[in-house]
Amino acid sequence: EVQLVESGGGLVQPGGSLRLSCAASGFTFSSYWMHWVRQAPGKGLVWVSRINSDGSSTSYADSVKGRFTISRDNAKNTLYLQMNSLRAEDTAVYYCARALIAARPFDYWGQGTLVTVSS
Amino acid sequence: SYVLTQPPSVSVAPGKTARITCGGNNIGSKSVHWYQQKPGQAPVLVIYYDSDRPSGIPERFSGSNSGNTATLTISRVEAGDEADYYCQVWDSSSDHNWVFGGGTKLTVL
Repeated sequence: EVQLVESGGGLVQPGGSLRLSCAASGFTFSSYWMHWVRQAPGKGLVWVSRINSDGSSTSYADSVKGRFTISRDNAKNTLYLQMNSLRAEDTAVYYCARALIAARPFDYWGQGTLVTVSS
Repeated sequence: SYVLTQPPSVSVAPGKTARITCGGNNIGSKSVHWYQQKPGQAPVLVIYYDSDRPSGIPERFSGSNSGNTATLTISRVEAGDEADYYCQVWDSSSDHNWVFGGGTKLTVL
């Protein structure tokens, strides 16, 4: 059974940092691109970042570029999102999701982890 | 960047057909995926590549895509179909363009 389990969310002050993790199981993690998608309270889905299967290529939404870093450890079947210089507008549930390649759909999602940026 | 436009809400009586649209410039030239999200839950893929259904998704869910509009159609709507629905495309003209529509709240009357 495919499972994606996020962790690492919580309350952080503006300007602070947080690292999210997404533990994968039930599939060959190293074969899949992985994405982070976020959803602010009461709002829609917004793509945040992606990493290719071997970790050699990444990309980011303009809203997080230069502040967030996506990475993965294929030996540990884990995806990460390092979030620095956090702002109130980064408050959201963060989901990890997998896709086989760029054009493929996000066929499995984690349950999400809530990040709240507030003083 | 590429923009997808969805109606904020659609209402339908049980047993009827719901159609949720997703508008975008020449969206017919792109592959559209649709996700269902119930309150407090993660999104679930219900249609991919315009009209394909993942295993486990009822045949009542179908999709089409042409011109400037993609459509998710739910036939014989049930109370359990009440959810938010999002369309999504990958804009190949940009390396950072996985785009979601704003979402449509489907209400079953």
